[in-house]
Amino acid sequence: AQSVAQPEDQVNVAEGNPLTVKCTYSVSGNPYLFWYVQYPNRGLQFLLKYITGDNLVKGSYGFEAEFNKSQTSFHLKKPSALVSDSALYFCAVRDKDNYGQNFVFGPGTRLSVLP
Amino acid sequence: NAGVMQNPRHLVRRRGQEARLRCSPMKGHSHVYWYRQLPEEGLKFMVYLQKENIIDESGMPKERFSAEFPKEGPSILRIQQVVRGDSAAYFCASSPGSGFRSYEQYFGPGTRLTVT
Repeated sequence: AQSVAQPEDQVNVAEGNPLTVKCTYSVSGNPYLFWYVQYPNRGLQFLLKYITGDNLVKGSYGFEAEFNKSQTSFHLKKPSALVSDSALYFCAVRDKDNYGQNFVFGPGTRLSVLP
Repeated sequence: NAGVMQNPRHLVRRRGQEARLRCSPMKGHSHVYWYRQLPEEGLKFMVYLQKENIIDESGMPKERFSAEFPKEGPSILRIQQVVRGDSAAYFCASSPGSGFRSYEQYFGPGTRLTVT
């Protein structure tokens, strides 16, 4: 069965500092991995995805994520945080080799960027 | 190209009434997913449908909840005899369903259901 863990409920970082939001996953086959962001009272917005190829994936708004197969991780990073990055971030996984499987989302990590 | 549309955006129902939530997928998308989000919680998968077919309903409560995605028209999530615990945001997402981009999922703005 697929699962996603986001070990931190909350991440606080000062504006201008680098940020990391952690995600680890478990799938029986090969993973498709995603990050989404949710602003208050809004739907989820796609940030980036890993499907194949380079382990470092670049996405929207200056975010990037690194796929690490040995550690089954897909941590979200940004070199310099902005106050406007404050939101709820979700990691998701889908089993590439099992088409009938749906997406599984992590519980979310709330990022607060302090001015 | 319009995105995923959900209506209504806000829905208030009294206990015991029925709630109908609609989702129109992106143009060309044949697969729809429904999720529920309780306040301060993550997304919980409910059901995965393609037109005229339920692919996975493992996340749906056994009673009172049903979903459909007819050949024509939007996908409908129906909650009968609503209770206060049904109060949540319900999100719909769509994907192409086949081909290289079938793994991509695009979310609607959600319907916030309040049961009084």
